Parts: sequence; structure tokens; C-alpha cells
Amino acid sequence: IQMTQSPSLLSASVGDRVTLSCKAGQNINNYLAWYQQKLGEAPKLLIYNANSLQTGIPSRFSGSGSGTDYTLTISSLQPEDVATYFCQQYNSWTTFGSGTKLEIK
Amino acid sequence: QVQLKETGPGLVQPTQTLSITCTVSGFSLTSYYMQWVRQTPGKGLEWMGFIRSGGSTEYNSEFKSRLSISRDTSKNQVFLKMNSLKTEDTGVYYCARGAIAAISTPFDYWGQGVMVTVSS
Repeated sequence: IQMTQSPSLLSASVGDRVTLSCKAGQNINNYLAWYQQKLGEAPKLLIYNANSLQTGIPSRFSGSGSGTDYTLTISSLQPEDVATYFCQQYNSWTTFGSGTKLEIK
Repeated sequence: QVQLKETGPGLVQPTQTLSITCTVSGFSLTSYYMQWVRQTPGKGLEWMGFIRSGGSTEYNSEFKSRLSISRDTSKNQVFLKMNSLKTEDTGVYYCARGAIAAISTPFDYWGQGVMVTVSS
């Protein structure tokens, strides 16, 4: 299943509400996860099952969506959120999106 | 606490075999599926395969003919072996834990990754 993320690069200011998109090639039944990858580090699980917050992740991160269209929202962007964000579908085996690189304006 | 750590060669010659070990602590390999994921400049993050809590394996069809995943539960280690390496196999290789013992699962813990360069 192909996963398409947009935009590929996003520049926003500290405190902004930020929205990242992920579109699946077919219905993935909410089997969708979001990961944060900082430079030189492994991906870190943020959201699973489309909208469940992983333990220890700040509440400013939230996920939504259904069917083929999913969204990761950061309610108030912080400097430490600079990273690349990937979506992953696990409805049929596993595939990852190509990522959205988030930077501070 | 849960920890995963990959060890392996930094440099492998084309056509040779890559061997990476993932050593885990803080949980039992008999309770979780262990995954292998790689990140390459050309294709980004790619799921390679997993070994089930019971020891059977599944592979991404992209790698099936040249990939093998195994484990030693007594040593808390999972192994990746991939043969016939090409320059496009250059990238970072991660082991990760499936959050639940099922095919459909996110990956809740990852190792630090090991950088592999395929070059003569």
C-alpha cells in the first residue's frame, strides 16, 4: 500500500498549529502510526491506531482521520519538534510514507 | 527498561553477505514480534521482515530471496543476514519491536540503528 505524505517540507513558527497529511493508496482501517525522527536518531512512535497517543508523548500531538486520509496535528509548535515525521500503515504488512521535514521559521 | 542495540560491520563489499545482530533487554523475544527496517537514500524507510514470538518468519517480497531472520532466545538476540549486497543497499538498518504480537502492529521501540555502506 503506497503512503503519500504532504508537504515534504513545512516551515512554521514557534506556537503555530501545524498539520501534516498522510494519504493511503487504499482503506487502511485506521491502522496508521506516526513517528518522529530527529537527526541521527531512530524513529520514535508518537501516535498509533490513527488517534491513540503513545505513552510519554506530549499532548500537543494528536492524530485523526479514517479510510485513506490521516492527519498529525501539533497544537503549539515547540523548538524541540524540529524533525522529520513519517506515517506508517500496518493494515497490510507495513509501508512508510516518505516523510515531512518540519523546521522552525 | 526496554532496550535494543544493533551491531554489525560498517562496510560490506558488493556481492557479499551482511550480518547484523540485534541484542535486546527488558522484555522476552518469545512475547513479541521483532522487526527489521532499513532507511536508504533511495527508498526511505522500508520494512524488511519479522520473526514472530513463536520463531516463524515473514519477509517483504522485495528481499525474500536474499534475506534471512533468525534468533537465539537464550542470548536475547535477533539476527539479520542478507546476501548479494548491492550499492543501493547502503543505509541504516534498524531492529524494532512490534508493540503487540501480531502482523498488524506499530513499532514501539527501535534500536539506534547501524550504518552499512556497500562499497568496494
